[in-house]
Amino acid sequence: QSVLTQPPSASGAPGQRVTISCSGRTSNIGSNTVSWYQQLPGTAPKLLIQGNNQRPSGVPDRFFGSKSGTSASLAISGLQSEDEADYYCAAWDDSLNGPVFGGGTKLTVL
Amino acid sequence: QVTLKESGPVLVKPTETLTLTCTVSGVSLSNPGMGVSWIRQPPGKALEWLAHSFPYGEKSYSTSLESRLSISRDTSKSQVVLSMTNMDPVDTATYYCVRIFRRLGELSTSYYMDVWGKGTTVTVSS
Repeated sequence: QSVLTQPPSASGAPGQRVTISCSGRTSNIGSNTVSWYQQLPGTAPKLLIQGNNQRPSGVPDRFFGSKSGTSASLAISGLQSEDEADYYCAAWDDSLNGPVFGGGTKLTVL
Repeated sequence: QVTLKESGPVLVKPTETLTLTCTVSGVSLSNPGMGVSWIRQPPGKALEWLAHSFPYGEKSYSTSLESRLSISRDTSKSQVVLSMTNMDPVDTATYYCVRIFRRLGELSTSYYMDVWGKGTTVTVSS
């Protein structure tokens, strides 16, 4: 059971906007920044968002991260077939003295 | 370009000790702030952080697995090694070596994994 809570699945049609939520506690999301990772089928995860809303070089601006209180969200606009992947949120946890992950959300592009 | 590559056995028997090696290229392990983590992912399941190592001997372990884990780094070989004792079939997973970015602020910690190895799959079976 993961420390951060994500919906197991999400879906949207090409071109649509989809949002994935990530819920935590004061000791993790409430106190520290959130990162998001995209895992395409059969590959290693890739950093998508860091510092709550910062995109590394090369990540399209269709991906947008936000945080409020003990929750965070990843929004993907202009959905494309290549966005079909598993998405994970993560944050440092002050109580556990380590990073914690969400259970992952499988995004299906209809 | 920074790359990390995992190596180790594909198959281990229950109760054995697993030793995985992460070879880092493109950056020196002695660089201040050069943190390396091990993260695993059982088949079809979520990511799980195991341990990290920073320069100057700083190490940290998952509280649930701490008694079984040991992480070390050899700067001269540019390698970070993870050992896990008493392996069990539930430890079957893909193990990833990752570079960490960490900023310790007065009020907030920013910690994320910015470069991932391809992973190595370990099966625990007799």
